[in-house]
Amino acid sequence: VTQNPRYLITVTGKKLTVTCSQNMNHEYMSWYRQDPGMGLRLIHYSVGAGITDQGEVPNGYNVSRSTTEDFPLRLLSAAPSQTSVYFCASSQGLAGVWTGELFFGEGSRLTVL
Amino acid sequence: KNQVEQSPQSLIILEGKNCTLQCNYTVSPFSNLRWYKQDTGRGPVSLTIMTFSENTKSNGRYTATLDADTKQSSLHITASQLSDSASYICVVSRQPNQAGTALIFGKGTTLSVSS
Repeated sequence: VTQNPRYLITVTGKKLTVTCSQNMNHEYMSWYRQDPGMGLRLIHYSVGAGITDQGEVPNGYNVSRSTTEDFPLRLLSAAPSQTSVYFCASSQGLAGVWTGELFFGEGSRLTVL
Repeated sequence: KNQVEQSPQSLIILEGKNCTLQCNYTVSPFSNLRWYKQDTGRGPVSLTIMTFSENTKSNGRYTATLDADTKQSSLHITASQLSDSASYICVVSRQPNQAGTALIFGKGTTLSVSS
């Protein structure tokens, strides 16, 4: 799972996109944010091309899934509260047998001033 | 409420010593439990998965246990090494075993191994 950029500093109100791609033909892809003391929290997820759904903390974020491989995360208007480390993750299978193992990207550290 | 609690929050041990990390959950209905290791600045990587029928599973120096009756799991690290310094995250899956909000994450235990 490859995500870019790894590090980003922006200012309040800016629009930005963090890209995520996987070459494992995984049906499931997701975005998490990780904050100190909060653990990993689900932002949005997708169970296949053209299908997305909200997670625990979706406000201020937008996603789309036009292909199996790509799942970009968009911040519509960056806010200081969105300063965090973002992880993209993918998993194989959906209906039927699904082990639930997530394959994570290396993370994108975002700072909003 | 579906929750996963990990303890301790952080732990410091000397190289070569053993340690045990705990994970208690109230997730229902239970599907499986997975331990992830997250090195500093990296994404989490799966160490092992425990299903309802499994009590113990080893992966090298890592041994995970599951008590489905008490809803507790532990991760035991034997003969710790400096490379074991990381955060360890417990993740429980709810049935039906699908994606999205079926995964309940613990906040992790930060382990520091010193020489």
